[in-house]
Amino acid sequence: EDQVTQSPEALRLQEGESSSLNCSYTVSGLRGLFWYRQDPGKGPEFLFTLYSAGEEKEKERLKATLTKKESFLHITAPKPEDSATYLCAVQHTGGFKTIFGAGTRLFVKA
Amino acid sequence: DAGVIQSPRHEVTEMGQEVTLRCKPISGHDYLFWYRQTMMQGLELLVYFNNKAVMDDSGMPKDRFSAKMPNASFSTLKIQPSEPRDSAVYFCASSYRAPEGAFFGQGTRLTVV
Repeated sequence: EDQVTQSPEALRLQEGESSSLNCSYTVSGLRGLFWYRQDPGKGPEFLFTLYSAGEEKEKERLKATLTKKESFLHITAPKPEDSATYLCAVQHTGGFKTIFGAGTRLFVKA
Repeated sequence: DAGVIQSPRHEVTEMGQEVTLRCKPISGHDYLFWYRQTMMQGLELLVYFNNKAVMDDSGMPKDRFSAKMPNASFSTLKIQPSEPRDSAVYFCASSYRAPEGAFFGQGTRLTVV
């Protein structure tokens, strides 16, 4: 059964304190892995798509990496405005059904 | 483009009533997804369409839920009869093609009392 597990559930950082969020997945053939950001009361906002192991993508202070079993979202020198819930999701090659993890709530304190 | 537009933003209804949620996807997007988000279950895919055709509705309780996409710019998710356990935030999302990240609407917060 396809499964996505994110850790930690919550992460508290000081402004400028770099860290990483983890997304472990089991899927019967990966079509794509996605990272989203969700602010309270809003819909998820698309950040990255990763397709194959070894791939990396960057956007401002965020960098996403992918291996055959997990993905990391690295946050470099975070700012308070990076506080949000970060969601990981996968699609398997059998279709386009997307399975989401429970998310990591990130709090960045000034 | 204004993004994915959902209506209403909030809906409060009594158990047993019919509820219709509406979605206008981004123009030119071929895929449309309906999700439900709760604290306990997180984001769950209910149904998705490709070029207006239902591709997978295995996540949708079919005895009370129905989804339609009569044209490329409009979709509905109907619940009849509604139950308190249907209380959640319902999101509509669209994407140009898969696998690509989807663009989400602001959601409809449904409360069934």
